[in-house]
Order: sequence, then structure tokens, then C-alpha cells
Amino acid sequence: EAQVTQNPRYLITVTGKKLTVTCSQNMNHEYMSWYRQDPGLGLRQIYYSMNVEVTDKGDVPEGYKVSRKEKRNFPLILESPSPNQTSLYFCASSLPGLASNEQFFGPGTRLTVL
Amino acid sequence: AQKITQTQPGMFVQEKEAVTLDCTYDTSDPSYGLFWYKQPSSGEMIFLIYQGSYDQQNATEGRYSLNFQKARKSANLVISASQLGDSAMYFCAMRDQMDSNYQLIWGAGTKLIIKP
Repeated sequence: EAQVTQNPRYLITVTGKKLTVTCSQNMNHEYMSWYRQDPGLGLRQIYYSMNVEVTDKGDVPEGYKVSRKEKRNFPLILESPSPNQTSLYFCASSLPGLASNEQFFGPGTRLTVL
Repeated sequence: AQKITQTQPGMFVQEKEAVTLDCTYDTSDPSYGLFWYKQPSSGEMIFLIYQGSYDQQNATEGRYSLNFQKARKSANLVISASQLGDSAMYFCAMRDQMDSNYQLIWGAGTKLIIKP
């Protein structure tokens, strides 16, 4: 089954404790992206990757890091989480190139930073 | 700059009635795609329907159709014969063909509640 998986689904942590949210896709997609969702704001892009070892900032990259060492994996790293990073996070993947290419979303990770 | 506007924060609709969710967009790129996603209370994003800027006909997918009015820059989602399971958040999103970061630009969403 074609899918994007994220782990963990739920995480409560404390300020400053480094964490990683994993994302994996099995569709051989070149493009992967991280979004955060906050009430009243829709989704906003954090980082994206056009292919292995190619990553770039989205609209809200501050406080986040990513890596793309393998095509299927795109982890999101919070080196020193803060309460303003409490949010719902989505990983997505798609084929690049066309505006019409559907983005497939993971199930989301609900992060609370105390 | 690209922008998506959903002017209805919330809607109540009687079961079995049709419902229209509004979406207007702004872009200077002549080639773009418009998407609608459903987000139930469980949180996942479910793709519903897609409309391309050069598509001549309005997109349809089962009970979902997209009322695409290009000159008005609107892409309203129409759900026919609403069901209780349609209660969810609905998001309109857009991607420009020329956007180098290939991102989806999202509206703030509309919370739809279907009343029995």
C-alpha cells in the first residue's frame, strides 16, 4: 500500500529536549516536505527536499532542521524545542514537476512542548 | 504573492442537503493547480479533488465537484447530498507551476458540521 508514515503520532516533551520526527514514504517520490498546522493558519511549509541531499527552507524554518540521506526518509529535527513549536506536523511526498501532482500526506504528529 | 482565502470559518448544514464551501485564490502564474482536502477529527489529510488552471471542465469526484470560475479566481467545493461523515475541516490549497519550492499554499479552512 502506497503510504507516508510518521512517527511518533503523539509526543509531549519539555523545552530544550532534542527530538526527531521520522517520515518515510514507499512511493519512490523525489519530493518531500514538512508542514506545520496551527489553528486559523492552515498549513505552512517548514522545509522541503527535491531529492536526496537536496533540501531547502520553506516559509517557517526557524528552529527546525531536516536531512535527506535516503530517498524514502525525511526526518524533522528540533534541536531545542520551544513551546511555540507546539503544533500538528505533517510530512508529505509527491512526484515533482507538475502542479497537478498530488501530495500524499502522512497521518500527522501532534507535538506538545511544555 | 500566492494566497488562498476561505471566508467561512464554520458552517452548519442539514443532512442530505448540498453544501458549497468557498475558496478564492490569487496568483500571477497562469499555470497552477487547485486542491481540496478533508481533515476529519482524527487529523489526517484526505485528498478530495483537483482542478488544473487549464482544465476546460469542472472537476468531479463522486459527490464532490469543484465550481471553478477562473475569471473570478474562485474554486468552490460542492458536496452533494451531505452525510454525517462529511463533518470535518475542509481546506483549499494551491500550487503554482513556477513555484521553485513546489509547496502547497493553504487556506485557513472551513469547519463543516452536518446536522442529523
